[in-house]
Amino acid sequence: EAGVAQSPRYKIIEKRQSVAFWCNPISGHATLYWYQQILGQGPKLLIQFQNNGVVDDSQLPKDRFSAERLKGVDSTLKIQPAKLEDSAVYLCASSLEPGNIQYFGAGTRLSVL
Amino acid sequence: GESVGLHLPTLSVQEGDNSIINCAYSNSASDYFIWYKQESGKGPQFIIDIRSNMDKRQGQRVTVLLNKTVKHLSLQIAATQPGDSAVYFCAERPPAGGSYIPTFGRGTSLIVHP
Repeated sequence: EAGVAQSPRYKIIEKRQSVAFWCNPISGHATLYWYQQILGQGPKLLIQFQNNGVVDDSQLPKDRFSAERLKGVDSTLKIQPAKLEDSAVYLCASSLEPGNIQYFGAGTRLSVL
Repeated sequence: GESVGLHLPTLSVQEGDNSIINCAYSNSASDYFIWYKQESGKGPQFIIDIRSNMDKRQGQRVTVLLNKTVKHLSLQIAATQPGDSAVYFCAERPPAGGSYIPTFGRGTSLIVHP
């Protein structure tokens, strides 16, 4: 079974630039999550989708972050414009149902200079 | 021994020792708990889970204990190996209106010395 795919693995941008991350979940997983993980901390949930609908985005900084899952499969997370404090690893995960065991991708490490 | 550094709490053990990693969860209504292992440069990986109607569950070399009275979870790793070196996270699932939004703890870094 293929795992959660994320790209790119690494991204370096300057502040105020834009960046986008892509995630392809495990086939058949209805629930998709985007997390931000700052060095030395646990993953912080940014947004949770159930199929193509948003379940929770209460911790998503909506003035600069956006995410979509238009066809209920792949998802993109965008930051526009980026700030220095956005430097982190962005993890995508999927699960069969909300709150069940999550399967994570390897993440995208973002450095904002 | 165990120490709290500037970032993650760290547990250092010798290969072959048993390790115990602790986690305090926040919501007494949480009904499901999962332990994840995160190796450097990788995403978290499922280890073991436990439901709130249980107080102990065993896997291969790992055991999870749940104490609902004090809202505490522990992960016991028997005969710890260098490959167990990683950051370990517990996650709780509060039944938030059916959405089941999981919450991750801070994490503990396990260092296994050969």
